[in-house]
Amino acid sequence: ETGVTQSPTHLIKTRGQQVTLRCSSQSGHNTVSWYQQALGQGPQFIFQYYREEENGRGNFPPRFSGLQFPNYSSELNVNALELDDSALYLCASSPPGLAGLNEQFFGPGTRLTVL
Amino acid sequence: AQKVTQAQTEISVVEKEDVTLDCVYETRDTTYYLFWYKQPPSGELVFLIRRNSFDEQNEISGRYSWNFQKSTSSFNFTITASQVVDSAVYFCALSLIQGAQKLVFGQGTRLTINP
Repeated sequence: ETGVTQSPTHLIKTRGQQVTLRCSSQSGHNTVSWYQQALGQGPQFIFQYYREEENGRGNFPPRFSGLQFPNYSSELNVNALELDDSALYLCASSPPGLAGLNEQFFGPGTRLTVL
Repeated sequence: AQKVTQAQTEISVVEKEDVTLDCVYETRDTTYYLFWYKQPPSGELVFLIRRNSFDEQNEISGRYSWNFQKSTSSFNFTITASQVVDSAVYFCALSLIQGAQKLVFGQGTRLTINP
């Protein structure tokens, strides 16, 4: 069984640019959540997607947007990058049903550096 | 709003010592889950345990044990006979049972086990 995968592993962008990060959920999982982890901090919830719809959002501006595809993979898009967007971006997937409630399996993350 | 506090930023012990990582949480909800995750240098968050707010039984898994006390809103984690491989950043997290499966993380405790 393949776990959660993310691409790319590392990324360097400059201020004002746009970036797309990708996540493939674990087989059978239909919910994907995204988190931002700044250096030395705990992860912060960005948003969650369930069956291709946004199902909850954290305190992030609209320039953070996402998509979930029919195969449950997901993208995180960030527009107008700022220096403070430099962080590790983590994707987590969850299995369906009550058994999957609140079980989140994390990918290795994408480290984004904004110069 | 929910909040998780891990007051210990860094802990350093010698191998084979026992070590306890503290976690204190805040929530007005009566139904929630508490978690511990391990983050090795690779960056991926590794799930260790999930506890339901209704179940205050302590749990032991090998060298790991968890002490959940609702009266003090604490969910502490003890590693017995620590090993060098236990070195990592450990995060305590909380999520509500209702609504989106949003994890609220503490700041993390960096644990270093010295040989």
